[in-house]
Amino acid sequence: GAGVSQSPSNKVTEKGKDVELRCDPISGHTALYWYRQSLGQGLEFLIYFQGNSAPDKSGLPSDRFSAERTGGSVSTLTIQRTQQEDSAVYLCASSFGVSEKLFFGSGTQLSVL
Amino acid sequence: DQQVKQNSPSLSVQEGRISILNCDYTNSMFDYFLWYKKYPAEGPTFLISISSIKDKNEDGRFTVFLNKSAKHLSLHIVPSQPGDSAVYFCAASAATSGTYKYIFGTGTRLKVLA
Repeated sequence: GAGVSQSPSNKVTEKGKDVELRCDPISGHTALYWYRQSLGQGLEFLIYFQGNSAPDKSGLPSDRFSAERTGGSVSTLTIQRTQQEDSAVYLCASSFGVSEKLFFGSGTQLSVL
Repeated sequence: DQQVKQNSPSLSVQEGRISILNCDYTNSMFDYFLWYKKYPAEGPTFLISISSIKDKNEDGRFTVFLNKSAKHLSLHIVPSQPGDSAVYFCAASAATSGTYKYIFGTGTRLKVLA
């Protein structure tokens, strides 16, 4: 499809397990962003990529969170040793450039039991 | 430190009337602002943007006003329709200072009553 694709759409995991969330941006978009939305909260910035590099990863909550982007395209957000407070919707967005409007995927609903 | 604030968590408006959603920011370096609409279980979708060199931008039923001195922007929807019922987020970035991340507000839930 032509939009931002995220997988899985839902993920249920046990506390302490690692999870990987995937984002396929719109073809040709050089910038890629990760946000999360906890229940009843706004969108919390996590990290953004320009190409394969991450100029700003200031929003990653702890060192259990990491992200990478390869080939200027697909990005993976990894959460190690998940905790219940990691439960949220993780949203990926891409844009033509860093000062352009964002196009969002539908998100991954992560539930940590 | 909430740099972008949407102080009204919810708003109800009669169909056909004007909806006004407000957003305040604290960082004077912000120079590009966007509004997004979000339906449940979907990602946010872009509505309209405005750069700090303007004080108004219009697109169909949607108009965004920016008051830089007050660090305030608002989204006007005229006329409001039931399909506009959603959560609306404002977002800001400081591109000219090299800060490209978008900071989002907490959202306002709009309900348009038929």
